[in-house]
Amino acid sequence: GAVVSQHPSRVICKSGTSVKIECRSLDFQATTMFWYRQFPKQSLMLMATSNEGSKATYEQGVEKDKFLINHASLTLSTLTVTSAHPEDSSFYICSARDHGGSYNEQFFGPGTRLTVL
Amino acid sequence: AQSVTQLDSQVPVFEEAPVELRCNYSSSVSVYLFWYVQYPNQGLQLLLKYLSGSTLVKGINGFEAEFNKSQTSFHLRKPSVHISDTAEYFCAVSDPGRGSTLGRLYFGRGTQLTVWP
Repeated sequence: GAVVSQHPSRVICKSGTSVKIECRSLDFQATTMFWYRQFPKQSLMLMATSNEGSKATYEQGVEKDKFLINHASLTLSTLTVTSAHPEDSSFYICSARDHGGSYNEQFFGPGTRLTVL
Repeated sequence: AQSVTQLDSQVPVFEEAPVELRCNYSSSVSVYLFWYVQYPNQGLQLLLKYLSGSTLVKGINGFEAEFNKSQTSFHLRKPSVHISDTAEYFCAVSDPGRGSTLGRLYFGRGTQLTVWP
């Protein structure tokens, strides 16, 4: 089956620093990737939709200057949390849509736990 | 936008008992329906999906779900649970339409299933 990886799986950083999270589709091409944020004991909140070669579409209330998304290739999207603060600590999950599939199923990465001190 | 309701935030059951996790959605048009499972500190794994055809869908790990269009429900069931089924379960709806919402998933808030020995 289709596999999506995320790197790193866990990151701890100091307040004010920037952190980059990578999302890769390992065995398929993904023209669209999604970035979610999940708080403890809560559901996934869609942050943005990333389309290869174009600007990401951000959900209402998500700061595009703080959460920079780059989708430079058909297999890689990155999320950069700029000037991270403790309130940015969360579990970030990406998913990739397989356009080679029969109905554009999304496949999820294992997530990245971000802790900002 | 779609709305997904998982009425039960927590469902405790004993091992080998049957279980049903409820999911209702709000939509008057055709949708795709999904159930995902999430183990602690991991991403989402697809349990099963309904796209069209038979309303009874069978998935992995012995789970099944029934699509009921008149009640706009997609309840997840398993006749006999194991301790290893303890996890968070998310119901999701996808809009198969075109445009900016194509492929987007709308998640319920999740149901924590805890199986006791």
